[in-house]
Amino acid sequence: NAGVMQNPRHLVRRRGQEARLRCSPMKGHSHVYWYRQLPEEGLKFMVYLQKENIIDESGMPKERFSAEFPKEGPSILRIQQVVRGDSAAYFCASSPSVASTDTQYFGPGTRLTVL
Amino acid sequence: AQSVTQLGSHVSVSEGALVLLRCNYSSSVPPYLFWYVQYPNQGLQLLLKYTSAATLVKGINGFEAEFKKSETSFHLTKPSAHMSDAAEYFCAVTNNNDYKLSFGAGTTVTVRA
Repeated sequence: NAGVMQNPRHLVRRRGQEARLRCSPMKGHSHVYWYRQLPEEGLKFMVYLQKENIIDESGMPKERFSAEFPKEGPSILRIQQVVRGDSAAYFCASSPSVASTDTQYFGPGTRLTVL
Repeated sequence: AQSVTQLGSHVSVSEGALVLLRCNYSSSVPPYLFWYVQYPNQGLQLLLKYTSAATLVKGINGFEAEFKKSETSFHLTKPSAHMSDAAEYFCAVTNNNDYKLSFGAGTTVTVRA
């Protein structure tokens, strides 16, 4: 049973470009969460999605960031016009339900570097 | 609001020695607490979790943690370190009405032969 898949694992962008990060949840999981880890900090919640719905985007910056989880295909975290401060590791997690006791299974992360 | 503080960003232990990683939490409601481990170039893997049952929680790979409400702590221990325990460890908190995990900054463990 494959775990949570994320690609690319490493992404380099110049300032002003767009970054697209992909996440395929574990089989049978319909709940996806994105977290961001800035250097020397813990992971911070960004957004929670179910298929075709954004449930909670309270941790997402108001501008330039968007997320989707279409009916078919992976969840996408999109960052437009990247800036140096967007350099971070972005982790996706999935769970079979939304219960807080349910384990969130994490992918290996995408390391974004903005030049 | 909930938060976690992990004391010590780096811990070095000898093989066979006790591993002790400290985690203190802040929560206005009864917490659910988690320890995750991250090996190089891999995702976070759940070691163990506390969800208001037994206060001493046993996890994978010989790790255990004890929930102490009076000390607001959830320290992780392993009696005898193995070289394969070298990794980064994260403590996280949530509660029974939330799905958002709040993470500590992590503790990197190195194991000396």
